[in-house]
Amino acid sequence: EVQLVESGGGLVQPGGSLSLSCAVSGFTVSSNYMSWVRQAPGKGLEWVSVIYSGGSTYYADSVKGRFTISRDNSKNTLYLQMNSLRADDTAVYYCARVGGVSVAFDIWGQGTLVTVSS
Amino acid sequence: DIVMTQSPDSLAVSLGERATINCKSSQSVLYSSNNKNYLAWYQQKPGQPPKLLIYWASTRESGVPDRFSGSGSGTDFTLTISSLQAEDVAVYYCQQYYSTPQMYTFGQGTKLEIK
Repeated sequence: EVQLVESGGGLVQPGGSLSLSCAVSGFTVSSNYMSWVRQAPGKGLEWVSVIYSGGSTYYADSVKGRFTISRDNSKNTLYLQMNSLRADDTAVYYCARVGGVSVAFDIWGQGTLVTVSS
Repeated sequence: DIVMTQSPDSLAVSLGERATINCKSSQSVLYSSNNKNYLAWYQQKPGQPPKLLIYWASTRESGVPDRFSGSGSGTDFTLTISSLQAEDVAVYYCQQYYSTPQMYTFGQGTKLEIK
């Protein structure tokens, strides 16, 4: 069964750090483009970052220099390291696969909530 | 950056009637080399992650009911639900993936309700 399960969310103070994980089953992370998308409470969707199968990484301007996307091929897991967190980073963070045929986000996890507050 | 603008922001349609949601991009998302529009539609129900409905502007994802259809090209796109069902109540988002990898831009969303 194809499944993405995020973990690692929680409450963190402004300026703090948090690491999110996305455990994948049913396909190989390293063979696919994988992405993080976030959704602030009551708001729309915002793309955050993508890692290509070849290892190239890209970020939205809003998180560039603060967030790092990575993967562990042996664990078939995607990560998002978030540093220098701000209140406007508060959101549900989803991991998603970029489909090989559609090139859109065809499989999504259930999301993990990150709250940045003092 | 490509900006995606949806209209309307919210929509109320009677059961069995047609629902139409529009999406306009600030520049063309039609890739001339393969004649594909890099435009997708997603459905998000409360408390759930988004679900891919349509890609390449008009191709239905596997398992999506055929009452959902996508049309348009270049900068103007439409998602149509031909006969609204109760389970279609959701927020719908368009997304461009033309300007990847720099940005996968979403529209602001359209909330669809039952009249």
